[in-house]
Amino acid sequence: AQKVTQAQTEISVVEKEDVTLDCVYETRDTTYYLFWYKQPPSGELVFLIRRNSFDEQNEISGRYSWNFQKSTSSFNFTITASQVVDSAVYFCALSVTSNYQLIWGAGTKLIIKP
Amino acid sequence: GAGVSQSPRYKVAKRGQDVALRCDPISGHVSLFWYQQALGQGPEFLTYFQNEAQLDKSGLPSDRFFAERPEGSVSTLKIQRTQQEDSAVYLCASSLALAGGPVSYEQYFGPGTRLTVT
Repeated sequence: AQKVTQAQTEISVVEKEDVTLDCVYETRDTTYYLFWYKQPPSGELVFLIRRNSFDEQNEISGRYSWNFQKSTSSFNFTITASQVVDSAVYFCALSVTSNYQLIWGAGTKLIIKP
Repeated sequence: GAGVSQSPRYKVAKRGQDVALRCDPISGHVSLFWYQQALGQGPEFLTYFQNEAQLDKSGLPSDRFFAERPEGSVSTLKIQRTQQEDSAVYLCASSLALAGGPVSYEQYFGPGTRLTVT
């Protein structure tokens, strides 16, 4: 069975601070995909990144960066120089090709204070 | 290019009523997913279509829930005899289905339909 754990229920920081959102996953499949989605107060889920299990390269996109470590089954997300507009709920998700379901973490609510 | 659209955005139903929720996926997206999201939780998978074929309906919570995608584009999620526990946001997502399989690519979500059963 697959599982995604986002242990941080809520994080609150002051604007311009760096913040890291943790994601730990479980699967016995060797081929799998990891995703991060953002859900702002408006409610629409926005795709941020996809990573497959064979690509452990870290990725940076502007102020966003992702650290994928198979050794610890983690796929953490860091926002540098946070901004108020980053306030949202962030979800980590896992999929395996052996079924059609996307397995979601419970989400981390990020609050950026001005 | 339009994104995924859903209608209605909000629906209030009295317990026992039937409701129908519509999803218009991104044009050309073969895969279509329905999710249920309760307040403060992550989405829960309901069902998956590849074109008009419903390949996985294991997440539908009861036989009161029914989904269809007759022509492989627009999909409808129907809930019969609604109960209060059906109150949630219902999300639709579409995705390209490529060689890696329907879940290997990112899914694009609609704004959801917030269903409140009174």
